[in-house]
Amino acid sequence: DQQVKQNSPSLSVQEGRISILNCDYTNSMFDYFLWYKKYPAEGPTFLISISSIKDKNEDGRFTVFLNKSAKHLSLHIVPSQPGDSAVYFCAATTGNQFYFGTGTSLTVIP
Amino acid sequence: DAGITQSPRYKITETGRQVTLMCHQTWSHSYMFWYRQDLGHGLRLIYYSAAADITDKGEVSDGYVVSRSKTENFPLTLESATRSQTSVYFCASSENSGAPYEQYFGPGTRLTVT
Repeated sequence: DQQVKQNSPSLSVQEGRISILNCDYTNSMFDYFLWYKKYPAEGPTFLISISSIKDKNEDGRFTVFLNKSAKHLSLHIVPSQPGDSAVYFCAATTGNQFYFGTGTSLTVIP
Repeated sequence: DAGITQSPRYKITETGRQVTLMCHQTWSHSYMFWYRQDLGHGLRLIYYSAAADITDKGEVSDGYVVSRSKTENFPLTLESATRSQTSVYFCASSENSGAPYEQYFGPGTRLTVT
């Protein structure tokens, strides 16, 4: 059973607007959450992470929000750029075990 | 070049054959991981290793064997390949086990089992 879920397989956004990617999880023992970006034919690259004791972490255009009561996190990209077009995976960990979502394909339209 | 490399990048094998996927990293990272990526499942952890000679199972370890005699290498072996093991395999490494848990991924190996 999927412990980390990304229910939107794809998302299209106009350049300059905000992109919001969502992720839900089921295991309350997860203590860290991460977002990875993946281009075709490449491995995922780390974007940003957040500890379960925080509710927000920001790094440049990328902000991750965590709502523990709802077991929900989201990645905000502002402003979106064409180079942001990729597949985004959220992941969660209890330490050494890592669980990834199925990914959301983001397309930023120029 | 520094980084994490995987070989081969593409492999076709027959059911029942043994196949080994190689992973090499030049950072001397303690932790290394193997994942498989399949449609509808995202990435799933197969095995990880905390150091040389220390390995542990992930979510989908059945049918796979790993070893880590040297810090920089983490080969993954399919002892008797099955069609269900057709997938894209990613190796990753991280410096330690703590936050922010950033992992560095290799480019992947696309394995087809016929």
